[in-house]
Amino acid sequence: DVKVTQSSRYLVKRTGEKVFLECVQDMDHENMFWYRQDPGLGLRLIYFSYDVKMKEKGDIPEGYSVSREKKERFSLILESASTNQTSMYLCASSLGYRGEQFFGPGTRLTVL
Amino acid sequence: SQELEQSPQSLIVQEGKNLTINCTSSKTLYGLYWYKQKYGEGLIFLMMLQKGGEEKSHEKITAKLDEKKQQSSLHITASQPSHAGIYLCGAGILYSGAGSYQLTFGKGTKLSVIP
Repeated sequence: DVKVTQSSRYLVKRTGEKVFLECVQDMDHENMFWYRQDPGLGLRLIYFSYDVKMKEKGDIPEGYSVSREKKERFSLILESASTNQTSMYLCASSLGYRGEQFFGPGTRLTVL
Repeated sequence: SQELEQSPQSLIVQEGKNLTINCTSSKTLYGLYWYKQKYGEGLIFLMMLQKGGEEKSHEKITAKLDEKKQQSSLHITASQPSHAGIYLCGAGILYSGAGSYQLTFGKGTKLSVIP
């Protein structure tokens, strides 16, 4: 079974802090994704990566950056956390073109 | 951009009843994915449909993609409390810049099943 793990289930940070969210998948998937999920807005794509060191902006990249130094690991970075970044963050990975995405359990981030 | 509208937004059914959730796209669907989410958790993949008229079933859940490929339905037969959760549909979008594939999601349908 594909396993996608995220570094924390719950995280509380202060405004202005630099925040790292890590995602690891164990099935050699080329594609990895970061989403945020908010009530009433649904799931929105922040960034995705289709290969090591490659990244593409999704629908809402502002305030975020990503890093993919190894195929299995995709990190989401909040350079200076703000309260409007309080959200549920979900990581996913997929194999090849049109492969279904497998999701991690999510990280609920609260920025105070 | 492609938009997906799910209906209903929420649904409460008695255990044992059948139900249907719809997902309507503003554009032709080239790949339609159904996921289930338990509150506060990640998404679990259910089914993927690609061809117009395609129908897939898993246990008591059946998903269909209509011939014109702009609408999909998810049907649950004889619902059980274990079916409760949020159901999301996702549409595949080809990102031409990288030759890769993204998903855009509907806002979800919250299903409650009363014992």
